[in-house]
Amino acid sequence: EAGVTQFPSHSVIEKGQTVTLRCDPISGHDNLYWYRRVMGKEIKFLLHFVKESKQDESGMPNNRFLAERTGGTYSTLKVQPAELEDSGVYFCASSQAGTGPLGYTFGSGTRLTVV
Amino acid sequence: TQLLEQSPQFLSIQEGENLTVYCNSSSVFSSLQWYRQEPGEGPVLLVTVVTGGEVKKLKRLTFQFGDARKDSSLHITAAQPGDTGLYLCAGVQGAQKLVFGQGTRLTINP
Repeated sequence: EAGVTQFPSHSVIEKGQTVTLRCDPISGHDNLYWYRRVMGKEIKFLLHFVKESKQDESGMPNNRFLAERTGGTYSTLKVQPAELEDSGVYFCASSQAGTGPLGYTFGSGTRLTVV
Repeated sequence: TQLLEQSPQFLSIQEGENLTVYCNSSSVFSSLQWYRQEPGEGPVLLVTVVTGGEVKKLKRLTFQFGDARKDSSLHITAAQPGDTGLYLCAGVQGAQKLVFGQGTRLTINP
């Protein structure tokens, strides 16, 4: 089966611009998560979708970040306007209903650089 | 917020040596996971430990969950160059999300 797919793999944008990251989970996985790792820090949770609903968005840093999962399939994470401190690697993970972290599969990540 | 302290952050040893990576917290986790991450890839799950005192083995890798479920260790026996990579511990917080340690970058020299 296809894994979790993220694109773009890399993105370099200027401060103030908008960037949209996309995640395609494994087909049939109801749970979709976003995490990010900023330079020198640990990977941190951003939010969790169950199908199209936001279950937990406690890790979203501020209102410049907007995540959507229309139709409960792929998800997008938009950063508008981007700031320098948003640079890092953004990971998406998915899992089947009822498995949570026991069934996590991570994507390869999107490396975002804000200059 | 529960924090996980992982040590050492960097470790470089010779092929054939043994090593242990530690993951410590002041908080209790319902379960704890170990991941391995290669450059340009996402973390890949190695093991989940659930019960205090649990020990799991994966070939030359031995994972242990502390009795109080606050700490864990990863021991590699007779390390090989193929073991080189970034190892991450992660505690399960609530039912769905992970709290990660900063990772241990392991280099095994031939």
